Amino acid sequence: GDSVTQMEGPVTLSEEAFLTINCTYTATGYPSLFWYVQYPGEGLQLLLKATKADDKGSNKGFEATYRKETTSFHLEKGSVQVSDSAVYFCALSDFSNTGKLIFGQGTTLQVKP
Amino acid sequence: DVKVTQSSRYLVKRTGEKVFLECVQDMDHENMFWYRQDPGLGLRLIYFSYDVKMKEKGDIPEGYSVSREKKERFSLILESASTNQTSMYLCASRGQDRNTQYFGPGTRLTVL
Repeated sequence: GDSVTQMEGPVTLSEEAFLTINCTYTATGYPSLFWYVQYPGEGLQLLLKATKADDKGSNKGFEATYRKETTSFHLEKGSVQVSDSAVYFCALSDFSNTGKLIFGQGTTLQVKP
Repeated sequence: DVKVTQSSRYLVKRTGEKVFLECVQDMDHENMFWYRQDPGLGLRLIYFSYDVKMKEKGDIPEGYSVSREKKERFSLILESASTNQTSMYLCASRGQDRNTQYFGPGTRLTVL
């Protein structure tokens, strides 16, 4: 079945460092891909999405490009801030009638001043 | 702004109790979801509802049931709570845009 694999965390960075969180997927067809963020004590918020190959999603300085050839959707940010500390989830939307989201296991990011 | 609210942020129950988790959305969305979040496992779908009184099992429905009597409200029921149901429960809703789900703040349930 469809699945999403994220890099293991936690990831600890200093403020202004470059961030990459790897995400690869296995799916039939070409699903939509998402990054969700969960700040401490809160629910999930959609960070960015891409619905077809070569699309780039971007928001709040974060970017991810839908790479069909490598089945990847890596999250990047050029300069992280302490306020970016959160758990990041990569997800895909399947093609069933449900259209449910299939999530990776989540990657905790801690940014130190 | 879409708002999805959950009845409790924290809940502590005893083994064997019947537990109700409530979720309400204010955007007239047809689709609603219940997920369970566990460390290292991400989120897993428990149940999905695509209309009033309509439901489908997700990936881990065992030990759970749901109720959708009104469009805005989707309830998750633990008939007889067990310790392995200690988890964070997240509700989500989705409208016409299949690519966007809106999540509630979550309910952290502890079963003793």
